Amino acid sequence: KQEVTQIPAALSVPEGENLVLNCSFTDSAIYNLQWFRQDPGKGLTSLLLIQSSQREQTSGRLNASLDKSSGRSTLYIAASQPGDSATYLCAVGKSNYQLIWGAGTKLIIKP
Amino acid sequence: DTAVSQTPKYLVTQMGNDKSIKCEQNLGHDTMYWYKQDSKKFLKIMFSYNNKELIINETVPNRFSPKSPDKAHLNLHINSLELGDSAVYFCASSQPDRSGEQYFGPGTRLTVT
Repeated sequence: KQEVTQIPAALSVPEGENLVLNCSFTDSAIYNLQWFRQDPGKGLTSLLLIQSSQREQTSGRLNASLDKSSGRSTLYIAASQPGDSATYLCAVGKSNYQLIWGAGTKLIIKP
Repeated sequence: DTAVSQTPKYLVTQMGNDKSIKCEQNLGHDTMYWYKQDSKKFLKIMFSYNNKELIINETVPNRFSPKSPDKAHLNLHINSLELGDSAVYFCASSQPDRSGEQYFGPGTRLTVT
């Protein structure tokens, strides 16, 4: 059974720092892996999608990596800004239809 | 030009009532989903439809019945609402034979009193 863990559960850093969010999964047979952002009281915004055959994806200040053999993905945020404050969710594709979710990392960027 | 929309955004109702939440996507996707996010913010898949056919039906009470009149719409009807049904319900869509990336609606916060 696939389990997805995100550590830490919460993270607070000063503005301008680079930071890494971690996601680990127990079964390396994945379809894809997706990182989302959720703002309080809002929906989920897809940030990056990494297909099973890929090692990383980049969008602006965000870079996500995938290492299936070790069951890990990281989301790197460069030059953090207060607007980056949100909960970041990792979801592993069990199939092309089904995502298995982590509990999220709540990120606070202090001005 | 909203990609995935849900109505209503907030729903407050009493135990025992029947209610529906509507979802529409204009992305041309074949697959739509309903998720439940509980008070601990954990997301769980409830249902998935592909081209109007049910493909995922997790362990959900049969008081919950999804209905897909066409592939752009997936509505969720809930009978005999219970206190434990209080949560945020998210609709999503994807195109599995392309990237499979899922796009989410803004959520419906259901409160059962």
